[in-house]
Amino acid sequence: GNSVTQMEGPVTLSEEAFLTINCTYTATGYPSLFWYVQYPGEGLQLLLKATKADDKGSNKGFEATYRKETTSFHLEKGSVQVSDSAVYFCALSPGSYIPTFGRGTSLIVHP
Amino acid sequence: DSGVTQTPKHLITATGQRVTLRCSPRSGDLSVYWYQQSLDQGLQFLIQYYNGEERAKGNILERFSAQQFPDLHSELNLSSLELGDSALYFCASSVGSSGGTDTQYFGPGTRLTVL
Repeated sequence: GNSVTQMEGPVTLSEEAFLTINCTYTATGYPSLFWYVQYPGEGLQLLLKATKADDKGSNKGFEATYRKETTSFHLEKGSVQVSDSAVYFCALSPGSYIPTFGRGTSLIVHP
Repeated sequence: DSGVTQTPKHLITATGQRVTLRCSPRSGDLSVYWYQQSLDQGLQFLIQYYNGEERAKGNILERFSAQQFPDLHSELNLSSLELGDSALYFCASSVGSSGGTDTQYFGPGTRLTVL
């Protein structure tokens, strides 16, 4: 079946540090890949997505590239801010089916 | 603010009881999705309704049921509650019926505690 594996958190960084959150997946076919963000006390929000191999999704300074050869979709940001502190979820969706989510990675950014 | 509302925000009840969670989708959205988020299971999809009809089913227990009403709001009913049902329950909505490609907008969640 389909599955998503994310690095365990929490990831703790200082402001302006470089961020990488690893995500790998197992799926048949060519799924769409997503990153969602959940701020404290709120629901998930779509952060970015990519629908085919080598696509790069980007939003709010975050980027992720769909790597089919390594079945990965790592999230990166060049300079994190305290306001980026949240839980980040990687997800995949094969075609029109409901997304399968990873367990989430907590990010804590210190001033 | 996603435009999706959920009530109540918190719910505390006892084992064996029955509760109803309510969700109002964003204006214009026809699909409603229910998810359960717990520490040990992560975020699990339960069920989707599209324009009043069940569209997709995930890991939803037989003790749980849902429906979507003509005004498009949805209710999730949880019965014979067990300690393990304690979790955050999220509702999401989207314009179309495709849960995998449509952008889903999540509500703030209902935190259920079963004592």
